[in-house]
Amino acid sequence: DAGVTQSPTHLIKTRGQHVTLRCSPISGHKSVSWYQQVLGQGPQFIFQYYEKEERGRGNFPDRFSARQFPNYSSELNVNALLLGDSALYLCASTGGGQGLQETQYFGPGTRLLVL
Amino acid sequence: SQQGEEDPQALSIQEGENATMNCSYKTSINNLQWYRQNSGRGLVHLILIRSNEREKHSGRLRVTLDTSKKSSSLLITASRAADTASYFCATVTKGNQFYFGTGTSLTVIP
Repeated sequence: DAGVTQSPTHLIKTRGQHVTLRCSPISGHKSVSWYQQVLGQGPQFIFQYYEKEERGRGNFPDRFSARQFPNYSSELNVNALLLGDSALYLCASTGGGQGLQETQYFGPGTRLLVL
Repeated sequence: SQQGEEDPQALSIQEGENATMNCSYKTSINNLQWYRQNSGRGLVHLILIRSNEREKHSGRLRVTLDTSKKSSSLLITASRAADTASYFCATVTKGNQFYFGTGTSLTVIP
């Protein structure tokens, strides 16, 4: 079975631009979460979605938004990019309705570089 | 600041030795999870321990949880070179917030 997939794998943008990152969960998983991992630090929670509804939000500015589609895939959008947004963006999915309370399965991540 | 703090930040051991990593957190939790990350890529779930559990085992892994001290430890026995990675604890609060720790970088020398 395919695991969590993310696209693109790498991305280079300039300050002020907008970026969209995509995630497909494991087949049958209905919950998707997004994390930002700056080099040398642990991942930080951005959003969790379950059945297309936002279930959790971390401490990130409104420039960050996300949505989940009927097929449970998800997009993370970041507007007005800053240099500090350069990071590895990770997506994770869970199988049940407990979301963050369960084991999460992570994708390989999208590495974003903002110049 | 992040919920979890781990120590040591870095650990280097010989193959066959045991490795112990500790995680401390700040607020009440529903469960605590440990993850491994190789070379800055995706994380792999290792073990989940709930707040009403004190110890769990999985293969060469042993995790303990002390909610009174707000701390957890991960023990890897008989380490192998393939265990070289960064290890993160993650806490899930009752308010559905998810916090990763700062991580321990483990190097196992063959």
